[in-house]
Amino acid sequence: EAQVTQNPRYLITVTGKKLTVTCSQNMNHEYMSWYRQDPGLGLRQIYYSMNVEVTDKGDVPEGYKVSRKEKRNFPLILESPSPNQTSLYFCASSSLAGGNQPQHFGDGTRLSIL
Amino acid sequence: EDQVTQSPEALRLQEGESSSLNCSYTVSGLRGLFWYRQDPGKGPEFLFTLYSAGEEKEKERLKATLTKKESFLHITAPKPEDSATYLCAVQEAGTYKYIFGTGTRLKVLA
Repeated sequence: EAQVTQNPRYLITVTGKKLTVTCSQNMNHEYMSWYRQDPGLGLRQIYYSMNVEVTDKGDVPEGYKVSRKEKRNFPLILESPSPNQTSLYFCASSSLAGGNQPQHFGDGTRLSIL
Repeated sequence: EDQVTQSPEALRLQEGESSSLNCSYTVSGLRGLFWYRQDPGKGPEFLFTLYSAGEEKEKERLKATLTKKESFLHITAPKPEDSATYLCAVQEAGTYKYIFGTGTRLKVLA
């Protein structure tokens, strides 16, 4: 089954404690992306990657890091989390073949930073 | 500044009562406009991609249309299972970034 898998699904942690949210896709997609979703603000793109070792900033990259060492994985790293990063996070992937292929989304990771 | 605005924010319909959702956008050039459906506790699920003004796509009770400045998602004779949040996203020409609107929460009453 084609899917985007995020882990963990839920996490409560404290300010300053480094954390990583993993994202993996099994569709051999070139494009992967991270979003955060906040009430009233909608989905905002954090970072995206066009392929292995190719990443670029979205609209809200501050406080986040990403890496793309393998095509299937695109982890999101919060080096020093702060309460304003409490949010619902989604990873997505899509093929770049033929232009605008739709994104497939994971089921989300709810992060609470105290 | 590039923007995507969806209206209304929320919509309640009786079963069978057709209506339209609006997505207006301001980008200098459009690579593509996407409609997604999001159910509570789930990630967005793809519905349609539109590329150029005048294009239309249909799927069951949903029909998406595109003009140079906005897109409409028409829902014909909706059923309670159509209740969800509908999201619009735009990808600007020359970039692979996405800009999402804040969505329309649709509730269809039986």
